[in-house]
Amino acid sequence: DAGVTQSPTHLIKTRGQQVTLRCSPKSGHDTVSWYQQALGQGPQFIFQYYEEEERQRGNFPDRFSGHQFPNYSSELNVNALLLGDSALYLCASSDQQAPYSPLHFGNGTRLTVT
Amino acid sequence: GENVEQHPSTLSVQEGDSAVIKCTYSDSASNYFPWYKQELGKRPQLIIDIRSNVGEKKDQRIAVTLNKTAKHFSLHITETQPEDSAVYFCAATLISGGYNKLIFGAGTRLAVHP
Repeated sequence: DAGVTQSPTHLIKTRGQQVTLRCSPKSGHDTVSWYQQALGQGPQFIFQYYEEEERQRGNFPDRFSGHQFPNYSSELNVNALLLGDSALYLCASSDQQAPYSPLHFGNGTRLTVT
Repeated sequence: GENVEQHPSTLSVQEGDSAVIKCTYSDSASNYFPWYKQELGKRPQLIIDIRSNVGEKKDQRIAVTLNKTAKHFSLHITETQPEDSAVYFCAATLISGGYNKLIFGAGTRLAVHP
């Protein structure tokens, strides 16, 4: 039973560019959340997708957008990259029918913006 | 806004000693409080969690206590071992209708010395 998988594992981009990160949730999970973890900090909630719609959003600008596909996988897109966007981006999945079950995190994508 | 404060930021103990990490949350509606352990370069993994209808929960060497009135919760690790060395994050959220946006603390770096 595969857990949460994310791709790519590492990415280097230049300021102003755009990036797309991908996530496949744990088998049986239908809800995907994205978190940004800056170095030495706790993860910060970006947004959550369920039934292919964004239903919760953290304090992130519109440059951050996402998508969920019918197979529950998800993408995170960041436009007009800034140096401050350099971070570990974590995807977490959960089951809508079992909200108290733990979030399962992927290994993350480390994004470096130069 | 929602906020979780975590102390201390670093904690150094001798093997066999106890370690205590404390968190305070701002949103009195929060009803679920998980703790995650993150080893270097790895994903956050849930180690224990507690719901607001319970004051204490224990799992072998790990325990969590919750004081809803004071909006405090704490992680207790007894008989620490070198493999307990990692960064620990507390989090809080209101789980309602499948929504489970976690607000994380900034983390505590625990070092257990043999």
